[in-house]
Amino acid sequence: AQSVTQPDIHITVSEGASLELRCNYSYGATPYLFWYVQSPGQGLQLLLKYFSGDTLVQGIKGFEAEFKRSQSSFNLRKPSVHWSDAAEYFCAVGGRTSYGKLTFGQGTILTVHP
Amino acid sequence: DVKVTQSSRYLVKRTGEKVFLECVQDMDHENMFWYRQDPGLGLRLIYFSYDVKMKEKGDIPEGYSVSREKKERFSLILESASTNQTSMYLCASSLWPPLWGPVCTDTQYFGPGTRLTVL
Repeated sequence: AQSVTQPDIHITVSEGASLELRCNYSYGATPYLFWYVQSPGQGLQLLLKYFSGDTLVQGIKGFEAEFKRSQSSFNLRKPSVHWSDAAEYFCAVGGRTSYGKLTFGQGTILTVHP
Repeated sequence: DVKVTQSSRYLVKRTGEKVFLECVQDMDHENMFWYRQDPGLGLRLIYFSYDVKMKEKGDIPEGYSVSREKKERFSLILESASTNQTSMYLCASSLWPPLWGPVCTDTQYFGPGTRLTVL
C-alpha cells in the first residue's frame, strides 16, 4: 500500500530564513510526487510536481523540491521565506498503478515570525 | 484556469438528516474525488469517480455515497448525518491520462471546501 509521512506537524521560521519541509513516501512502483499548499480558508493549490527527469523540480512562489529515490524522499525547500508563505503544506504520491488517485501526508503547518 | 466549485462553504445540519454536497468542475475532467480533511490526519479519500455513473470506494467510504449523473458534477451524500462526520470536505478533479502514456496520474485541482458541522 502507498503511504506518505510528513514527520513535522508544525514548523516555525523567521521571515527571510530558509525552509525545508520533509516528505517520505512508500510506493511500489515509480512514484509521481506532488506538493500542495493550503492557505487558511482555501482549497489546495499545486506548488510543484515530479513525474520523471530532473530530480530537482522548480515550482511556483520560489519553491523547489528534490526527489531522492534512495531515501524515498521528496523534500520541499525555499531559500528565503516570506510572511505570506504561512500555510499548511501537503505532500502526495500517486503513480501508474494508482489510476489517478493520490495519497496525501498528514500535512505540515508553517508559521512565519516577522 | 480549472475551476472547481462547491455548493456551500459552510453547512450546519442535525444528526440523522440527509446531506448533499455538490461539486462542479468546468474543465471536462474525467476524474473527480471527494476527500475529508481533519486536523492531523491530512486528506482521506472517501470516493472517486473516473467516468459518468462510475464510482469506486476510497479509504473511508462508510456512511457516505456518491452520485455522478453528468461528467461535470459529483455529489457526496451523507445518508444519515452523524456528529463524527463533522469535517472539512474537499472536492477535486483531474484528467485521466491514457494508461499507455508516460504518466498515469495527473494534477488534482481542488475546490474551496465545505465545512460541515453536524449537531
